[in-house]
Amino acid sequence: AQSVTQLGSHVSVSEGALVLLRCNYSSSVPPYLFWYVQYPNQGLQLLLKYTTGATLVKGINGFEAEFKKSETSFHLTKPSAHMSDAAEYFCAVNPRGNQFYFGTGTSLTVIP
Amino acid sequence: DTEVTQTPKHLVMGMTNKKSLKCEQHMGHRAMYWYKQKAKKPPELMFVYSYEKLSINESVPSRFSPECPNSSLLNLHLHALQPEDSALYLCASSQEGGASYNEQFFGPGTRLTVL
Repeated sequence: AQSVTQLGSHVSVSEGALVLLRCNYSSSVPPYLFWYVQYPNQGLQLLLKYTTGATLVKGINGFEAEFKKSETSFHLTKPSAHMSDAAEYFCAVNPRGNQFYFGTGTSLTVIP
Repeated sequence: DTEVTQTPKHLVMGMTNKKSLKCEQHMGHRAMYWYKQKAKKPPELMFVYSYEKLSINESVPSRFSPECPNSSLLNLHLHALQPEDSALYLCASSQEGGASYNEQFFGPGTRLTVL
């Protein structure tokens, strides 16, 4: 069975502070891993993805994530939060095939 | 063109109405998806089309009827909906299987309100 756990449904950070959004997965095979961002009343936009190769993945808007197989984690980080980062963030796994498994989401608030 | 388009952007309908949502992509993707999303929740998969054939139906009520007329177009026909069906309906597409990474590209969604 596949599942994705996002610890913390709400995360608040000050502008300029480190952003850390957590994602753990369970999968019977090495999965493909994704982080999506969703701004209010919009669709999901891909931030970054891990498929194979380098375990530290850089994405758009200064975000990056590190795949740690031993910890079954794929946490999302950004060194310095910006007001425009306030949004809903979803981690997703795709074990193989067409079906994505989404985490429950983390709402990020950035405090000025 | 790396865009998935959805029309209409907003839709208000009564419980006796029949309406359709439309989704289009021109990225050559052969897998297309319908998701339902409630506020502050992750998208819930409804249907998956692979090479224009329905491959996954996640036990969706029959008042939702998907259609894939060609590889670029996906429709969702709505009939006799209930107020609890009010949600954001998202369309997505991806390359099909094989060595592809199956990244899904999402449209902006249709905000549906059922009165």
